[in-house]
Amino acid sequence: QLQLQESGPGLVKPPETLSLTCTVSGGSITSSTYYWGWIRQPPGKGLEWIGSIYYSGSTYYNPSLKSRLTISLDTSKSQFSLKLSSLTAADTAVYYCAKVSGSSGDYHMDVWGQGTSVIVSS
Amino acid sequence: SYELTQPPSVSVSPGQTASISCSGDKLGDKYACWYQQKPGQSPVLIIYQDNKRPSGIPERFSGSNSGNTATLTISGTQAMDEADYYCQAWGTYVVFGGGTKLTVL
Repeated sequence: QLQLQESGPGLVKPPETLSLTCTVSGGSITSSTYYWGWIRQPPGKGLEWIGSIYYSGSTYYNPSLKSRLTISLDTSKSQFSLKLSSLTAADTAVYYCAKVSGSSGDYHMDVWGQGTSVIVSS
Repeated sequence: SYELTQPPSVSVSPGQTASISCSGDKLGDKYACWYQQKPGQSPVLIIYQDNKRPSGIPERFSGSNSGNTATLTISGTQAMDEADYYCQAWGTYVVFGGGTKLTVL
């Protein structure tokens, strides 16, 4: 059964860069059947899509974050990563990684990691 | 940018039917999916492609999508269904609704 696990620092100072990694186990990160994505949830608020990456390396970013965001894939480690720069307090959130399935306009996240809490504070 | 609108809260009595709406421009022309999130837990996919249930999701959860509105219906609502529910679709990128808190009382 495919599982995802996020890892990264719990506290980051503004305006540093956040680096998070998601480790995939129980399945192939190079499958052409799905994507890998990042989603975040500020405290007490709703879900926000950050971006996704395909096994080929193609990326899809939320336009509101695109200028600060990089998502990459390390197939040798079965990991994909997120880097978000110029952090502010507004980036404080629980960050989830997820497996993204679907095609032809269907795009849903059917496996989620447990989430990792990130606080941006000096 | 594309937006999805959900009611902030919905209340239902145990055993009754709960309906949660999700509105967006021509949403019926897109695929909608739904997630359930309980406090302190990760979201769980409960409906995809408008009306399909992943393995392990109870039959009391169903979905529909037409016109500008997608609807999640929970038949015979149980206390364990109390949670936040989020709709999601693909506009020019992935968009989530603001979430609906379902209270079972």
